[in-house]
Amino acid sequence: KQEVTQIPAALSVPEGENLVLNCSFTDSAIYNLQWFRQDPGKGLTSLLLIQSSQREQTSGRLNASLDKSSGRSTLYIAASQPGDSATYLCAVLSPNEKLTFGTGTRLTIIP
Amino acid sequence: EPEVTQTPSHQVTQMGQEVILRCVPISNHLYFYWYRQILGQKVEFLVSFYNNEISEKSEIFDDQFSVERPDGSNFTLKIRSTKLEDSAMYFCASTLIDQRNTIYFGEGSWLTVV
Repeated sequence: KQEVTQIPAALSVPEGENLVLNCSFTDSAIYNLQWFRQDPGKGLTSLLLIQSSQREQTSGRLNASLDKSSGRSTLYIAASQPGDSATYLCAVLSPNEKLTFGTGTRLTIIP
Repeated sequence: EPEVTQTPSHQVTQMGQEVILRCVPISNHLYFYWYRQILGQKVEFLVSFYNNEISEKSEIFDDQFSVERPDGSNFTLKIRSTKLEDSAMYFCASTLIDQRNTIYFGEGSWLTVV
């Protein structure tokens, strides 16, 4: 059974700093890995999707990497802004068509 | 930008009542999903739906749950006899051709069972 873990559970950094969020998964047989953002009481906004054959994806200040063999992914946020404050969720898509989510990292950017 | 829309945004219901949560997936998408998130817990897969039938379902998706695509646009989740532990945020999602595409989620429907 796929298990997804995210560390840290919470992170506070001053505005302007670069930061890295971590995600690990137990079963490397995945189709893709997706990073989502969730604001309190809101839905899930897709940030980046990395196919199993890819190593990284970039969108603006965000860069996500994937090391499938070791079961790890990172989300790098450059030059953080207060608007980046949210919970970031990592999810892997397995061949059984199910997205398995981590518990998320709650990020607070301090102005 | 096209989006998945869900109604209602919040519903309070008494234990034992039937609830229908509605979703309008993105128009050219072919795969539809329901996920739920109990407060403070992980987002959990409930069911996937393709070609007018259930493709996969989790152990959570027992006989009290059902899904339907009654017309060309709506996708519904029915909970037949709600229990207190059904209180959660329910997310509808859709994707274009197959599961390897980006999955787009709706804003969710908060269900509170009292």
